[in-house]
Amino acid sequence: GEDVEQSLFLSVREGDSSVINCTYTDSSSTYLYWYKQEPGAGLQLLTYIFSNMDMKQDQRLTVLLNKKDKHLSLRIADTQTGDSAIYFCAELGLTGGGNKLTFGTGTQLKVEL
Amino acid sequence: DARVTQTPRHKVTEMGQEVTMRCQPILGHNTVFWYRQTMMQGLELLAYFRNRAPLDDSGMPKDRFSAEMPDATLATLKIQPSEPRDSAVYFCASGLERGQVKNIQYFGAGTRLSVL
Repeated sequence: GEDVEQSLFLSVREGDSSVINCTYTDSSSTYLYWYKQEPGAGLQLLTYIFSNMDMKQDQRLTVLLNKKDKHLSLRIADTQTGDSAIYFCAELGLTGGGNKLTFGTGTQLKVEL
Repeated sequence: DARVTQTPRHKVTEMGQEVTMRCQPILGHNTVFWYRQTMMQGLELLAYFRNRAPLDDSGMPKDRFSAEMPDATLATLKIQPSEPRDSAVYFCASGLERGQVKNIQYFGAGTRLSVL
């Protein structure tokens, strides 16, 4: 079955870059996503990447995909205190004819002054 | 500003009581998902509807949980009877599914349930 793994915590200083890593197991995944969850809120989509792409950049966010190693990363440039949150990666897989997201455990990003 | 609306935001109840959580998906979306989030288990998919029909509810305890979509604008998740181990945050998400294109899920703010 699918399994998505992330490290639990990451601490960075304001202004530095953050890199959050994710590994997945379903080689048939077509889309991979990054969601952000702030305290007391639902998950908010940050960005996604199609499986035939290696990289996607969106303002301060850069997504890198290594399909051979099933490794996904999210880089946040110039990290700000407002970036403190839990970040989830998710992969899209087929189940019973439908599309289902499998989420990782989440990485809590703490941005220090 | 289209969004998924969940009610109530918070619910405290006693063990054995029935709990009903409601979700209004984004207008025009044809898929609805119910998730449960706990510290120990993370995000678990409980149920998945497409065009109001249940597609996957394998993650849902069948003896006490039930999920329905009475119409396209309302999804419900019921727990009867509730137990302390059901305490969690329950999220609803909706999306527009057309093949495998994007399939972005938009999440509500969640219902925080505490069963005493």
